Amino acid sequence: GQQLNQSPQSMFIQEGEDVSMNCTSSSIFNTWLWYKQDPGEGPVLLIALYKAGELTSNGRLTAQFGITRKDSFLNISASIPSDVGIYFCAGQASRTSYGKLTFGQGTILTVHP
Amino acid sequence: SAVISQKPSRDICQRGTSLTIQCQVDSQVTMMFWYRQQPGQSLTLIATANQGSEATYESGFVIDKFPISRPNLTFSTLTVSNMSPEDSSIYLCSVSGGNTEAFFGQGTRLTVV
Repeated sequence: GQQLNQSPQSMFIQEGEDVSMNCTSSSIFNTWLWYKQDPGEGPVLLIALYKAGELTSNGRLTAQFGITRKDSFLNISASIPSDVGIYFCAGQASRTSYGKLTFGQGTILTVHP
Repeated sequence: SAVISQKPSRDICQRGTSLTIQCQVDSQVTMMFWYRQQPGQSLTLIATANQGSEATYESGFVIDKFPISRPNLTFSTLTVSNMSPEDSSIYLCSVSGGNTEAFFGQGTRLTVV
């Protein structure tokens, strides 16, 4: 089956630093999504990307859909303590597979005040 | 986005028993899905809950182990049958309104002893 390789697995940063994480795949996805999961909660959608090359921002978050359609990155600028959590990329392989997602392994983000 | 409520939020069950997890959405949605998140792992799609017909299961998941119901456009249940400790996971309900974005409930944390 399809797999998403997400890196890094974990990050330990100081408050105020910028963060970058990415996902790659051996196959094409037509949608990329980025989620954040806090302990004891379900994933919360941060950003959705629909077109190759698309660059989208949501506050301090910026994500891009790679032009090859096989990768995506998420940047967080000026990190704050509440950014702590697990970030997941997710891809949808087909335009008819609404909501059926393949997830990356997750990036655990720790922010030191 | 839709508000998704799952019950129970957590449970501890004896091996060999079954648990039914409920997912209620505050609006009608086209697609509903069930995911599993094993401890420290990413999310894996179990099945698509089809309204009025049998669920569509992903590779590695079978109806006898994970029977699913979806009697209407706002409600679904997932049963974890004949549980073993390996079934200890977070089970998550997800919905999609027909576009590619998927939203998640808070999850049901299941521990099998």
